[in-house]
Amino acid sequence: GQGVEQPDNLMSVEGTFARVNCTYSTSGFNGLSWYQQREGHAPVFLSYVVLDGLKDSGHFSTFLSRSNGYSYLLLTELQIKDSASYLCAVRGGNASSGSWQLIFGSGTQLTVMP
Amino acid sequence: EAAVTQSPRSKVAVTGGKVTLSCHQTNNHDYMYWYRQDTGHGLRLIHYSYVADSTEKGDIPDGYKASRPSQENFSLILELASLSQTAVYFCASSEDANTGQLYFGEGSKLTVL
Repeated sequence: GQGVEQPDNLMSVEGTFARVNCTYSTSGFNGLSWYQQREGHAPVFLSYVVLDGLKDSGHFSTFLSRSNGYSYLLLTELQIKDSASYLCAVRGGNASSGSWQLIFGSGTQLTVMP
Repeated sequence: EAAVTQSPRSKVAVTGGKVTLSCHQTNNHDYMYWYRQDTGHGLRLIHYSYVADSTEKGDIPDGYKASRPSQENFSLILELASLSQTAVYFCASSEDANTGQLYFGEGSKLTVL
């Protein structure tokens, strides 16, 4: 079946970095997104990748390896306010029929400590 | 200014009662979605729509209906609410089907007693 897996929790220290991992297994692939969700609030879009490699967007960078079904979100120069849940979402489906669906992981709760 | 707004933000309903969650977007997007989020689970798609007066089933449509009377409005209807439908519901919109960027509302917390 199709699935997106993320670790439940991750802790890191202010001023350092954190890498949030995501592995997926889908029939077909048409992009991967990352969202940030603070407690009690809506998910907020961070990044979208389709091609392999590292996409550097400053504070947030995203890596994708389609052959390994793997992505990570890298947060650098962590701040306390980066504490949140980070959701990975994979667009999987059928290229020939054009039927795609966005499959979300359950999210990784990042805690940034002083 | 919020582009996707949901109402109510919180609701308590009784088992067997009818619940309507409303969503309004000002993004001028064709696609709208209803997701539910449960602790320990990812967002799961209930219904979606790509044009007014038409709705499509998502991954978990059982027990839910949807209505899209206009491009801006998308409602989720629980005709007979059940305990298992206690969750946070998110509405979202997107420009097209292939984008990775969805714009979410702030969520509606539904408690069914």
